[in-house]
Amino acid sequence: EAQVTQNPRYLITVTGKKLTVTCSQNMNHEYMSWYRQDPGLGLRQIYYSMNVEVTDKGDVPEGYKVSRKEKRNFPLILESPSPNQTSLYFCASSLTGWAGELFFGEGSRLTVL
Amino acid sequence: AQKVTQAQTEISVVEKEDVTLDCVYETRDTTYYLFWYKQPPSGELVFLIRRNSFDEQNEISGRYSWNFQKSTSSFNFTITASQVVDSAVYFCALSGSNTGFQKLVFGTGTRLLVSP
Repeated sequence: EAQVTQNPRYLITVTGKKLTVTCSQNMNHEYMSWYRQDPGLGLRQIYYSMNVEVTDKGDVPEGYKVSRKEKRNFPLILESPSPNQTSLYFCASSLTGWAGELFFGEGSRLTVL
Repeated sequence: AQKVTQAQTEISVVEKEDVTLDCVYETRDTTYYLFWYKQPPSGELVFLIRRNSFDEQNEISGRYSWNFQKSTSSFNFTITASQVVDSAVYFCALSGSNTGFQKLVFGTGTRLLVSP
């Protein structure tokens, strides 16, 4: 089954404790992206990647890092989480970045205390 | 800068009513794509439609239809004879040539509540 898988789905952590949210897709998609969803703000793009070793900032990259060492994986790293990073995070992939249909993961709800 | 505005925060209708969700966008790009995504209560995001800036033909898919008007920078979504299963948050989004179509800008979403 074609899917985008995120882990963990739910996480409560404390300020400053590094964490990684993993994202994996099995569709051989080149394009992957991370979004955060906050009430009243919709979805905002954090980082995206056109292909292996090619990443770029979205609209709200502060406090986040990403890497794309393999085509299927695109982890989101919070080096020192803060309460304002409490959010619902979505990973998405697309066959190409050229305005293709995005396939989303199920979301990861992160709470930073 | 690109921007998508969904002025309707929440709409409540009774089953079988028709409902239109508004989407107004801003972009300086001449080539761009517009999207609608659905987020049901279960939380996942589901692609509904993509439309490019050169195609202003309206589209109909079952009970869903989309009206794209470049003159008013709008891409509205109509559900005919709404059903309870249509209850969800609907997002309009825009991707433009200025960013190489790599960035997708979402509106803030419209929550649709369809009651029996």
